[in-house]
Amino acid sequence: EVQLVESGGGLVQPGRSLRLSCAASGFTFDDYAMHWVRQAPGKGLEWVSGISWNSGSIGYADSVKGRFTISRDNAKNSLYLQMNSLRAEDTALYYCAKKRGLWSGPDAFDIWGQGTMVTVSS
Amino acid sequence: QSVLTQPPSVSGAPGQRVTISCTGSSSNIGAGYDVHWYQQLPGTAPKLLIYGNSNRPSGVPDRFSGSKSGTSASLAITGLQAEDEADYYCQSYDSSPGVVFGGGTKLTVL
Repeated sequence: EVQLVESGGGLVQPGRSLRLSCAASGFTFDDYAMHWVRQAPGKGLEWVSGISWNSGSIGYADSVKGRFTISRDNAKNSLYLQMNSLRAEDTALYYCAKKRGLWSGPDAFDIWGQGTMVTVSS
Repeated sequence: QSVLTQPPSVSGAPGQRVTISCTGSSSNIGAGYDVHWYQQLPGTAPKLLIYGNSNRPSGVPDRFSGSKSGTSASLAITGLQAEDEADYYCQSYDSSPGVVFGGGTKLTVL
């Protein structure tokens, strides 16, 4: 079964750090680009960051650029998001998502995890 | 404010047809980038409904269809069912800032 399982969320104070993980199974992880998408409580979806299959191409939303770092370990079938200098507005459910196709251009996300909740509050 | 604009809500009676619009600009949909659609049932993760403007993944009923024209795209749902009540999001790509989503549309089945 194709599956993505996020972990690492929790309650954190403003200005502190948190590292999210996403464990992939059921597909050839190192063939596909991966992304993080978040959803604040009661709000819509917001793309956070994406990484190509070999980590050669990485992108970030302006809202997290310079604070968040995406990475992956293909040997461990895992995706990560290091979040530093967290703010209240980073409070959201964070999903990892698999890009649908193998090509390098933009594409849909065909597999999503169940999400991990990050709450930034003092 | 989202780069892609969707109506906040739409509604329809069982069996009816509803459409959800997604309006972009010349830097995203109008630049030729594909539009994708997701369905998010309450309390669950988004599910890919339409990819590449009009293609359905395996398992998605043919009651769901997508189209794109110019700087806009649409999702149509025919034969509306109670189980279709959910939030729907369009997604595309923009030269800056990258991957973009619409603000979402809540579908209510009357």
